[in-house]
Amino acid sequence: DGGITQSPKYLFRKEGQNVTLSCEQNLNHDAMYWYRQDPGQGLRLIYYSQIVNDFQKGDIAEGYSVSREKKESFPLTVTSAQKNPTAFYLCASRSDGADTQYFGPGTRLTVL
Amino acid sequence: EDQVTQSPEALRLQEGESSSLNCSYTVSGLRGLFWYRQDPGKGPEFLFTLYSAGEEKEKERLKATLTKKESFLHITAPKPEDSATYLCAVQHHYGGATNKLIFGTGTLLAVQP
Repeated sequence: DGGITQSPKYLFRKEGQNVTLSCEQNLNHDAMYWYRQDPGQGLRLIYYSQIVNDFQKGDIAEGYSVSREKKESFPLTVTSAQKNPTAFYLCASRSDGADTQYFGPGTRLTVL
Repeated sequence: EDQVTQSPEALRLQEGESSSLNCSYTVSGLRGLFWYRQDPGKGPEFLFTLYSAGEEKEKERLKATLTKKESFLHITAPKPEDSATYLCAVQHHYGGATNKLIFGTGTLLAVQP
């Protein structure tokens, strides 16, 4: 089955720790995205990548970092610099030349 | 400033009671408008893309329409399984590298049997 997987589904972090959220896709999509979803707010773009070894900041990149070493993978690291990291994190991908973004199942991060 | 506003925030329907969800937008040149369905604790599921005023798309009990200022998601004879949050998003026409989407906050639909 083609799709986007995110792991883990739930993640708990102590303050001051960095954590990495995984996003993998086997759709052969070129572009990948990370969004953050908070109650009462629309999805907000954190980072995006159009091709391997290239990525750009979105609207709320502070306190986050990414890498894109493989086409299939786009991991997101939430660093200790992120002031309010508790949220639902969504990864999406898009085929080159198409407009529609397809989303993974999400990771819920809770800071204890 | 680009903005997407969805209304109502929440809607409760009886099974079989048809209604519409609204997505109004202000964007400097619309490339596309997207509807997604999101179940609790899950990622958004793509429903429709609309590109030009007057365009309509249908899927089962759902029909999406687009004007120059807003989009409607019409739900005909809904069933309890249609209960979800429905998200609307718009994309700029300038088509920057991001294909960035601007999302509304969603409409939470509950359909009671």
